[in-house]
Amino acid sequence: DIQMTQSPPSLSASVGDRVTITCRASQSISSFLNWYQQKPGRAPNLLIYAASSLQSGVPSRFSGSASGADFTLTISSLQPEDFATYYCQQSYSIPWTFGQGTKVEIK
Amino acid sequence: EVQLVESGGGLVQPGGSLRLSCADSGFTFSNYWMHWVRQAPGKGLVWVSRIHKNGDRTNYADSVKGRFTISRDNAKNTLYLQMNSLSAEDTAVYYCARGNYDSSGTYGNLDFWGQGTLVTVSS
Repeated sequence: DIQMTQSPPSLSASVGDRVTITCRASQSISSFLNWYQQKPGRAPNLLIYAASSLQSGVPSRFSGSASGADFTLTISSLQPEDFATYYCQQSYSIPWTFGQGTKVEIK
Repeated sequence: EVQLVESGGGLVQPGGSLRLSCADSGFTFSNYWMHWVRQAPGKGLVWVSRIHKNGDRTNYADSVKGRFTISRDNAKNTLYLQMNSLSAEDTAVYYCARGNYDSSGTYGNLDFWGQGTLVTVSS
């Protein structure tokens, strides 16, 4: 199975901050990488697919990029509604696997 | 509007069985792969299973293989997960999700999710 390692596990940030979350795959997965946001008690919501494509309806402050086996989710200016847990997920091979999550908290 | 509504969760004893359903609307159900993903209390997301749009191909996580069966009824726009030989490790919120692809048809993702149904395995 492909292991997805996210960092950091959690972070504290202020409204307006630029936030970066990293995800590393245990092997090459090309651009088969998605990012999801999950708020407490809610289902996950797709933010970014194919490493860098913005899902319809998602604010443009969210962006994704890739460099080799490393992937990055960036929130350019953190908003109050962005405090949540973020997960990366690979769809390169079965079983699809998720990172352990990054919890973004209010500083 | 795309809607996925899970049902069938509840409390079951170890070794017992449960069948989850996911009723879908707002899209052409038979055109999409469908998935189940679970989340144990306070833990992360774990992919469980998927089924091809016409139901003839399925995949499972090793942790559920041989115990869980995914199926679908395209006439009823409904996805199912039959869960047998349940143990405490299966306690989780179970989400159904629609599988989709980017415009090239290459890169898969889960673009719509249900609200989840809680399965608790306990004596």
